[in-house]
Amino acid sequence: ETGVTQTPRHLVMGMTNKKSLKCEQHLGHNAMYWYKQSAKKPLELMFVYNFKEQTENNSVPSRFSPECPNSSHLFLHLHTLQPEDSALYLCASSQKTGGFEQYFGPGTRLTVT
Amino acid sequence: DQQVKQNSPSLSVQEGRISILNCDYTNSMFDYFLWYKKYPAEGPTFLISISSIKDKNEDGRFTVFLNKSAKHLSLHIVPSQPGDSAVYFCAASQGGSQGNLIFGKGTKLSVKP
Repeated sequence: ETGVTQTPRHLVMGMTNKKSLKCEQHLGHNAMYWYKQSAKKPLELMFVYNFKEQTENNSVPSRFSPECPNSSHLFLHLHTLQPEDSALYLCASSQKTGGFEQYFGPGTRLTVT
Repeated sequence: DQQVKQNSPSLSVQEGRISILNCDYTNSMFDYFLWYKKYPAEGPTFLISISSIKDKNEDGRFTVFLNKSAKHLSLHIVPSQPGDSAVYFCAASQGGSQGNLIFGKGTKLSVKP
């Protein structure tokens, strides 16, 4: 595997379910990110991790819970989501945090029913 | 309030002609700008960037121009090819270790044969 991978690619879940999104980067980067992309809106930064430590939480509701066990893996745990949380969730990585080039995974298309 | 604006949601260009994608920003502290390209069902891929110390950066068929006084940048694609059909995102940052990428909503480019 190369680059940034995300699983699953598609996910449909009910509002009472608990699910997790997984991201893995094979680039040797130290920073990882979760973004949300809703229709007709810019990419919204959710969380930033640097060397496994969370450095930013952009006022994300607690029903989204990130986990970064090491610099290569990032998870987003989901529980009691709302239909308005349906979106494309993108993971990205970069050599270091800050406004530098980030490399994105293909995303998970999430539908909350 | 959006700090990075792409006011044209879509653009259609004939193959072989020039495509010009525009982006405006409001934060004068931004000093690093990037363009990303996104195909359906894929994550955004980094295309080209420019630092505020330059007004032009070129990479093959892609050239980015920066007009700091107007807080405006543009991406020129010459000649346009059908494979360039994608959504193009403009992003800006303050660079350094403190900034994050701020994205525009994107412009969908269609290059017709």
